[in-house]
Amino acid sequence: GAVVSQHPSWVICKSGTSVKIECRSLDFQATTMFWYRQFPKQSLMLMATSNEGSKATYEQGVEKDKFLINHASLTLSTLTVTSAHPEDSSFYICSASFQTGVTGELFFGEGSRLTVL
Amino acid sequence: GQSLEQPSEVTAVEGAIVQINCTYQTSGFYGLSWYQQHDGGAPTFLSYNALDGLEETGRFSSFLSRSDSYGYLLLQELQMKDSASYFCAVHSGGYQKVTFGTGTKLQVIP
Repeated sequence: GAVVSQHPSWVICKSGTSVKIECRSLDFQATTMFWYRQFPKQSLMLMATSNEGSKATYEQGVEKDKFLINHASLTLSTLTVTSAHPEDSSFYICSASFQTGVTGELFFGEGSRLTVL
Repeated sequence: GQSLEQPSEVTAVEGAIVQINCTYQTSGFYGLSWYQQHDGGAPTFLSYNALDGLEETGRFSSFLSRSDSYGYLLLQELQMKDSASYFCAVHSGGYQKVTFGTGTKLQVIP
């Protein structure tokens, strides 16, 4: 089956620093990747839709300059949290679309738990 | 924008049947999917409905009524391992973005 790898799984950083999270589709080409954020005991909130070779489409209320998304190839998308603050601490999870229009299935990475001190 | 509503919590007995409802509002609707998520883990795909009707996959079934903007997930022969959060998600828009519902925490008791 389609595998999506996300790295790092855990990251702790100091307030004011930037953190990069990578999302890779290992055995398929993902034209579209989605980035979600999830607070404890809450739903997955869609942050942005990332398409290879074009600018990401951000959801309303998500700061583009704070959450930089790059989709440089069909197998890699990155999310950079710039100037992180404690309120950015959350579970960030990516997903990749492969024949999702037919099967409806999104393939998720393992998620990255960010803690900002 | 999109909005999806689910019951926040459901408790059911092992071996029983439980139905989790989802109502949604969206434009450019393509389909409704369901995901299971255990604490600390990634969501796992369960089913997808693009057309009205019932889709069955083992112990899980999912139903969609496009005219009513409503769907449900039916879990049969509940097992303890089914205790998890369940999310409905709408597929919409040109890139078929997937927006998740509020989630239902299912607790299966002996």
